[in-house]
Amino acid sequence: KNQVEQSPQSLIILEGKNCTLQCNYTVSPFSNLRWYKQDTGRGPVSLTIMTFSENTKSNGRYTATLDADTKQSSLHITASQLSDSASYICVVTDRGSTLGRLYFGRGTQLTVWP
Amino acid sequence: EADIYQTPRYLVIGTGKKITLECSQTMGHDKMYWYQQDPGMELHLIHYSYGVNSTEKGDLSSESTVSRIRTEHFPLTLESARPSHTSQYLCASSPQGGGQPQHFGDGTRLSIL
Repeated sequence: KNQVEQSPQSLIILEGKNCTLQCNYTVSPFSNLRWYKQDTGRGPVSLTIMTFSENTKSNGRYTATLDADTKQSSLHITASQLSDSASYICVVTDRGSTLGRLYFGRGTQLTVWP
Repeated sequence: EADIYQTPRYLVIGTGKKITLECSQTMGHDKMYWYQQDPGMELHLIHYSYGVNSTEKGDLSSESTVSRIRTEHFPLTLESARPSHTSQYLCASSPQGGGQPQHFGDGTRLSIL
């Protein structure tokens, strides 16, 4: 069964600190993995995309990693800001379907305190 | 910022009413999607469309229906709303081609009394 599991479920950190969010998946065949940020009351916004051959990709203070062998990804946030408070969703695309079927994790709810 | 709009943002309505949730995008994307999202849970695909006059049911069974008469417009309709339909509904679109991100609207939060 294709699944995407994220940990932790929720996380509270102080402003300026770093944090790492985890994503494990069983989706096969794998096409790509995206991290989305969803602010409260808003739709998800794509942060990064990782394909099979990529190990690390950065987008400002966000750095995503992918280990396709162990089917694990992480999202590292550096020097957190209050605006980083949001849900971070890991989404894996299935290469085997015409639609490009997406499998969503339940997200990690990050709260940054001043 | 993606140009995809959903209306209304919030709707509180009584049981048995007919509801239409609007979704429009100005990016010319062929593919459009409707998702249902409950608090703390993953998004579930309920409908999708490859283009005009194309509609398909998603993974999660839904009593809603959709139509795609124009590329930019993908409304979702509930003929008779029930409390079990209370949820957040997210619309998304993407261009043709693999690896393209889905652009999401800000959702409609629906509450059925």
